[in-house]
Amino acid sequence: DAKTTQPTSMDCAEGRAANLPCNHSTISGNEYVYWYRQIHSQGPQYIIHGLKNNETNEMASLIITEDRKSSTLILPHATLRDTAVYYCIVLHSGTYKYIFGTGTRLKVLA
Amino acid sequence: DTGVSQDPRHKITKRGQNVTFRCDPISEHNRLYWYRQTLGQGPEFLTYFQNEAQLEKSRLLSDRFSAERPKGSFSTLEIQRTEQGDSAMYLCASSDRTGGKTTGELFFGEGSRLTVL
Repeated sequence: DAKTTQPTSMDCAEGRAANLPCNHSTISGNEYVYWYRQIHSQGPQYIIHGLKNNETNEMASLIITEDRKSSTLILPHATLRDTAVYYCIVLHSGTYKYIFGTGTRLKVLA
Repeated sequence: DTGVSQDPRHKITKRGQNVTFRCDPISEHNRLYWYRQTLGQGPEFLTYFQNEAQLEKSRLLSDRFSAERPKGSFSTLEIQRTEQGDSAMYLCASSDRTGGKTTGELFFGEGSRLTVL
């Protein structure tokens, strides 16, 4: 299973874009990048996923580098409710086994 | 669709006792996952099912842990002879694999918190 590396914590001012990086240098060609977040005492929540192309949905944007060795999750206008732990996961399309790391603790400041 | 439900939400037990957790996935979701989470850590993969078949079990899982999904619907996770180190949040999640293409979304329950005294 490809491993991911994320910063332990980040701060972001309310209303500004939050850019959360993830390194996955050992990713294989058929492995997807997924992002989840976990708000205190709740189960993780899906945000977005992608394979090669950049993706956008109502929650966030996912930018994947051309060599696919890293990606960035962008929350365009962070709010206090976005304070959570964000997990970057690399998923092999054949196993469907999601391995969570320790994630990035994002704190949105008023 | 009421989401993934887990029962009980909280369980306090004495060391050495057996405990069982139940997970009811979203209706017709064919994949079901169990995770364990301790304070400050990400969810740790335990096992997962596709329908009633247990496809993989973590090597970290001792023989005291067993999971079943007998009819491909609800699942149970049993811990025998509990130890204090088993104290954690046990999370269940389900997903749907439709038409050979994953939707990529795990739906998690609220978890079952176990405290072993």
